[in-house]
Amino acid sequence: NAGVTQTPKFQVLKTGQSMTLQCAQDMNHNSMYWYRQDPGMGLRLIYYSASEGTTDKGEVPNGYNVSRLNKREFSLRLESAAPSQTSVYFCASSENRDEQYFGPGTRLTVT
Amino acid sequence: GQQLNQSPQSMFIQEGEDVSMNCTSSSIFNTWLWYKQEPGEGPVLLIALYKAGELTSNGRLTAQFGITRKDSFLNISASIPSDVGIYFCAGQKMYSGGGADGLTFGKGTHLIIQP
Repeated sequence: NAGVTQTPKFQVLKTGQSMTLQCAQDMNHNSMYWYRQDPGMGLRLIYYSASEGTTDKGEVPNGYNVSRLNKREFSLRLESAAPSQTSVYFCASSENRDEQYFGPGTRLTVT
Repeated sequence: GQQLNQSPQSMFIQEGEDVSMNCTSSSIFNTWLWYKQEPGEGPVLLIALYKAGELTSNGRLTAQFGITRKDSFLNISASIPSDVGIYFCAGQKMYSGGGADGLTFGKGTHLIIQP
């Protein structure tokens, strides 16, 4: 089992460019999440999907959109990247409980 | 948003020493989790706690869910070099309607072990 996979691992964008971060899980979990981690900080929730077909905002949703494509995949889109979105992005999944399992992260730099 | 206060921020210890870190909140949580993160990787779940007062062990790690539901601690006994990393506490509030909301994370305790 691969668990939670994320692509790409690294990305550099110019201000104003758009991109989509991909996440997939093979654990048949219902819930999926996107977090960002900034230096010296814990993870902060951007968006989550409690089940296929639903998405909800987390603590820091501004500047992002998400799509729960199917039960396995949950993507995060930056429509117009800003330097403040330079961060490490983590996707996670869980099976209706609180034990979330994380992917390896995408390191995004916006110049 | 709500915050978890995690302390200490960093610890420099000798190999073989015991380690203790804790997390407090002004809000009640119904679940506490402890994660470890190594450089360049995602957090890995160490221990999950579901009931107030619960004490759970995972090898040399022991964690407790505070009786007030507003705090938790993690102990590591007889530290070894591979324990190096950043340890995060995370809390989950009561949620309604089923499904699972996101976790609230502390800022982490950076554990450094001197041989």
